[in-house]
Amino acid sequence: GAGVSQSPRYKVAKRGQDVALRCDPISGHVSLFWYQQALGQGPEFLTYFQNEAQLDKSGLPSDRFFAERPEGSVSTLKIQRTQQEDSAVYLCASSLVFPSGLALETQYFGPGTRLLVL
Amino acid sequence: DQQVKQNSPSLSVQEGRISILNCDYTNSMFDYFLWYKKYPAEGPTFLISISSIKDKNEDGRFTVFLNKSAKHLSLHIVPSQPGDSAVYFCAASTSGSARQLTFGSGTQLTVLP
Repeated sequence: GAGVSQSPRYKVAKRGQDVALRCDPISGHVSLFWYQQALGQGPEFLTYFQNEAQLDKSGLPSDRFFAERPEGSVSTLKIQRTQQEDSAVYLCASSLVFPSGLALETQYFGPGTRLLVL
Repeated sequence: DQQVKQNSPSLSVQEGRISILNCDYTNSMFDYFLWYKKYPAEGPTFLISISSIKDKNEDGRFTVFLNKSAKHLSLHIVPSQPGDSAVYFCAASTSGSARQLTFGSGTQLTVLP
């Protein structure tokens, strides 16, 4: 596809339910990022993959959050035992080049998955 | 502790005039800055970026200015058009990290016809 795609676009979950959010990055993009955006705020970093390797997961808010990218393309963000505070838009972004010095790198975002936990 | 701040939640401008959106940062390690535009129910769309080795970058109607000593950047849109109405996010990253972006909280720009 031409851009980053995410599914589902909307997800309503009951508190305690597990959810899985999918991201299809732009073909060939090495780097993949997950962000969480609360209402009225900017996106906040969750985790980063370079190919299949998860190189940074410092932004994951708890051990209920887990992300994987087993073949270096599609990624899944899983949230176990969802809580109301997990309600947010989850954004996926991809970029083409490896992290490097001052190289100009742009992250391209998908439309997001809006998660509502009741 | 917000490292990237957009202190104006909203801005209204008349069509054809200049829009100036401001952003301040506190982390001196940031060396790459971006502006994203976001429409409702869509993801952020990349608009323009600037490296810390420059103080200005221009792309059509959009110009970003960087003042490193003041830790301040701004986005100028001239002339403003109604289609520019959106939320604008400032973002920053550091070399040597995973290139994760740190975002401001956004400014809602409304261009009045």
